[in-house]
Amino acid sequence: GEQVEQLPSSLIVQEGASVLINCSYTDSASVYFPWYKQEPGKRLQFIIDIRSNMERKQTQRLTLLFDKKTKHLSLHITATQPGDSAIYFCSASKNYGSSGNKLIFGIGTLLSVKP
Amino acid sequence: DTTVKQNPRYKLARVGKPVNLICSQTMNHDTMYWYQKKPNQAPKLLLFYYDKILNREADTFEKFQSSRPNNSFCSLYIGSAGLEYSAMYLCASSRTGLAEQFFGPGTRLTVL
Repeated sequence: GEQVEQLPSSLIVQEGASVLINCSYTDSASVYFPWYKQEPGKRLQFIIDIRSNMERKQTQRLTLLFDKKTKHLSLHITATQPGDSAIYFCSASKNYGSSGNKLIFGIGTLLSVKP
Repeated sequence: DTTVKQNPRYKLARVGKPVNLICSQTMNHDTMYWYQKKPNQAPKLLLFYYDKILNREADTFEKFQSSRPNNSFCSLYIGSAGLEYSAMYLCASSRTGLAEQFFGPGTRLTVL
C-alpha cells in the first residue's frame, strides 16, 4: 500500500530562518496531499494542501511544491517564528469519489524555532 | 463552530475489557474518521464513516468496530483491549470528497 516518508525527522533553526521539509510517496494514484501541523499539547491542524494537477501552492509564509514525476513534495516555511514550532505531517490520498479521503500520513517532522 | 470533541480525554482500561470512545462534531460533515497514533509513528487510519456507510481498513478490520447513530456522533469500540491498543485515538471529520479534515484533541488510551 501507499507509503509516505518525511525528511528530516527533526530540525532546529533560529527565528527568521527558512526551512524545507521533504516528503515522498509511493502510490502514483495519489492525487491529494494535505499537510497538518501539531503544536505542543494541541490538536492536528490543517495548514496547506495541493492536488496532483498543480505544481505549486503558496499561502502566507508557506510554499508547497509538488513533483508528480518523482513523487516528491517539499514544504518551504519562510521567516520562521517560535510559534511555528510544531510537528509537521505530510499526507497523501487517492480519489475515492464522494466517500471521503483516506489519508496516509508520514511520521512527521519536528520543527523547533529558537528565539 | 469548527470544533471536534472527544470523550473521554484519557481512558484507562484493563486487558480483556471493552473500551468505547466517543466523538462529536457540529459542522454537519458527511464523513467522520478514526485514527490511531502511537509515539514516533504516523497517524494510522482505522476506519471512517461516510454518512451511514462504515469503511474499515483491512489490517484492523477485526480489531475495531464503530457506530454512527446520527450525523454528529461517532464511536470507536474495542471489544477486548490488549496492551497493543495503548495509543492516542484521534477523531476527525470532513465534508464530502478531498477536503480538509478537522481533528479532535484525541483520547489517550492506556491498557494495563
